[in-house]
Amino acid sequence: EVQLVESGGGLVKPGGSLRLSCAASGFTFTSYSMNWVRQAPGKGLEWVSSISSSSSYIYYADSVKGRFSISRDNAKNSLYLLMNSLRVEDTAVYYCVRDVKQLVLTGLDAFDIWGQGTMVTVSS
Amino acid sequence: EIVLTQYPGTLSLSPGEGATLFCRASQSVSSRSLAWYQQKPGQAPRLLIYGASSRATGIPDRFSGSGSGTDFILTISRLEPEDFAVYYCQQYASSPQTFGQGTKVEIK
Repeated sequence: EVQLVESGGGLVKPGGSLRLSCAASGFTFTSYSMNWVRQAPGKGLEWVSSISSSSSYIYYADSVKGRFSISRDNAKNSLYLLMNSLRVEDTAVYYCVRDVKQLVLTGLDAFDIWGQGTMVTVSS
Repeated sequence: EIVLTQYPGTLSLSPGEGATLFCRASQSVSSRSLAWYQQKPGQAPRLLIYGASSRATGIPDRFSGSGSGTDFILTISRLEPEDFAVYYCQQYASSPQTFGQGTKVEIK
């Protein structure tokens, strides 16, 4: 079964840091770019970051550029998101998602596999 | 940044009726790089349509997508009880990829 499982969410104070992880299974992880998409409580979807299959191409939304860092470990079939200098407005469910097509380098694609999400709450 | 506007905000319909959802882009979406997702409360979104009109794996044929340029449509031919949800469009033609604000399809 194709599956993405996120972990690492929690409550953190403004200015703090958190590292999210995503474990992939059931498909050839090294063939796909991966992404993080977030959804604030009661709000819509916002793309956060993308990383190509070999980590050569990395993209960020302006709202997180300079604060968040995406990475992957293909040997462990895992995706990560290191979030620094967290703000109240970063509060959201964070989804790990897979590109529809293989080997996309542009950071632009639809998303066909989604994890269940992990909640990040930034509050004092 | 391409802004996507979805309308109507809410659609109140009965099971068995057809639904037409609209997504308008602030500028042309090249290569028909537009997708539609369905999201139910407490669940992750599910991809329905990509490339404006290609159904994703396992999606029933009552869901169809059409459109090009700045105007796109998601059509649900006959609503089943499980189709009542929020629907989002997404453009992935230019960076940053963006989502619409959603259309809620509710039971009348």
